Amino acid sequence: KAGVTQTPRYLIKTRGQQVTLSCSPISGHRSVSWYQQTPGQGLQFLFEYFSETQRNKGNFPGRFSGRQFSNSRSEMNVSTLELGDSALYLCASSLQGSTGGQSDTQYFGPGTRLTVL
Amino acid sequence: QKEVEQNSGPLSVPEGAIASLNCTYSDRGSQSFFWYRQYSGKSPELIMFIYSNGDKEDGRFTAQLNKASQYVSLLIRDSQPSDSATYLCAVAGGYNKLIFGAGTRLAVHP
Repeated sequence: KAGVTQTPRYLIKTRGQQVTLSCSPISGHRSVSWYQQTPGQGLQFLFEYFSETQRNKGNFPGRFSGRQFSNSRSEMNVSTLELGDSALYLCASSLQGSTGGQSDTQYFGPGTRLTVL
Repeated sequence: QKEVEQNSGPLSVPEGAIASLNCTYSDRGSQSFFWYRQYSGKSPELIMFIYSNGDKEDGRFTAQLNKASQYVSLLIRDSQPSDSATYLCAVAGGYNKLIFGAGTRLAVHP
């Protein structure tokens, strides 16, 4: 089975621009979560989608948004880029997400390295 | 107080020794716990998950969970230089939200 794929792998943007990142989950997985990883803040949760609905959101400004399509593929968008948005953006997929209080295991993609100049 | 705490290391162990990685968490209601390994420049790779108190073994890896003490640990037996990486402890915070610790750098020297 193919793993989680993310495109593009590397991206360079300038301040004020916007960017869209794409994630294709493992076949059959319906939950997609997004994370930001920086040296200073570590891995931080952005949001999670299941069946095209955002079920959970982290503490990020409204410039960060996402969506999920009917085939479970997901995109995240960052508008009005700031220097501090430079990070590795990771997408993770799981079969269905939480059930009965237990969280499903998440499998990460290779990430998109975003550099904001 | 951070929600998930790990010693940043580096933890240096000789090849063949047991590496012990520890993690504490603040939310007493947490039910799902995960260990990921991340090599430099790569994405996190799932090693183990644990839901119940006690030990869970998988090959050279053993995860230990003590909910009363809010403590999770990972033991790596017969450590190899290829185990040198950052180990991330993650606690589920609802609807597939994982809360990560800062990670512990493990260095296994020959």
